[in-house]
Amino acid sequence: AQKVTQAQTEISVVEKEDVTLDCVYETRDTTYYLFWYKQPPSGELVFLIRRNSFDEQNEISGRYSWNFQKSTSSFNFTITASQVVDSAVYFCALSSYNTDKLIFGTGTRLQVFP
Amino acid sequence: EAQVTQNPRYLITVTGKKLTVTCSQNMNHEYMSWYRQDPGLGLRQIYYSMNVEVTDKGDVPEGYKVSRKEKRNFPLILESPSPNQTSLYFCASGQGANQPQHFGDGTRLSIL
Repeated sequence: AQKVTQAQTEISVVEKEDVTLDCVYETRDTTYYLFWYKQPPSGELVFLIRRNSFDEQNEISGRYSWNFQKSTSSFNFTITASQVVDSAVYFCALSSYNTDKLIFGTGTRLQVFP
Repeated sequence: EAQVTQNPRYLITVTGKKLTVTCSQNMNHEYMSWYRQDPGLGLRQIYYSMNVEVTDKGDVPEGYKVSRKEKRNFPLILESPSPNQTSLYFCASGQGANQPQHFGDGTRLSIL
């Protein structure tokens, strides 16, 4: 069975702090895909990143970076120098080559205070 | 503009009264799916469809039906809604389950 665990329910930081959102996944498949989505207070869901299981290279996009480690089944998301606009619920998700399901974690609510 | 459109955005109804939430996408995506979002439970997949006339159950399909007669439309049907189906629902589409998903704006359903 596939599973995504986001153990951090809520995180509060002050602007300019760095923050890491954890994501741990479970799957028996060797080919799988990991995603992060953002849900700001306005409610829409916005795609951030997709990673496949064969690409463990970390990725950086501006203040956002992602650390994919197969050895620990983790796909963590770091925001550097957080801003108030980063306040949102962030979801990690998993799909695999052998199934057409998309499994989401329970989400982490990030609050960035000025 | 590429988009996924859900209707209605809000609905308050009563137990047992059949309702349909429509979902339409204009990106020619093959994969469409429905999710419900509940506090503490995240997004849970209800049903998904790989293509026209091909649908399958997600993790929480009980009490829901779907159909995919056309590529662009994927309605969610609650034949006999119950209060435990009160939730925020999202429709999504993508090139496949392994591709980024585009989400609709959500439908907030309240079943009294």
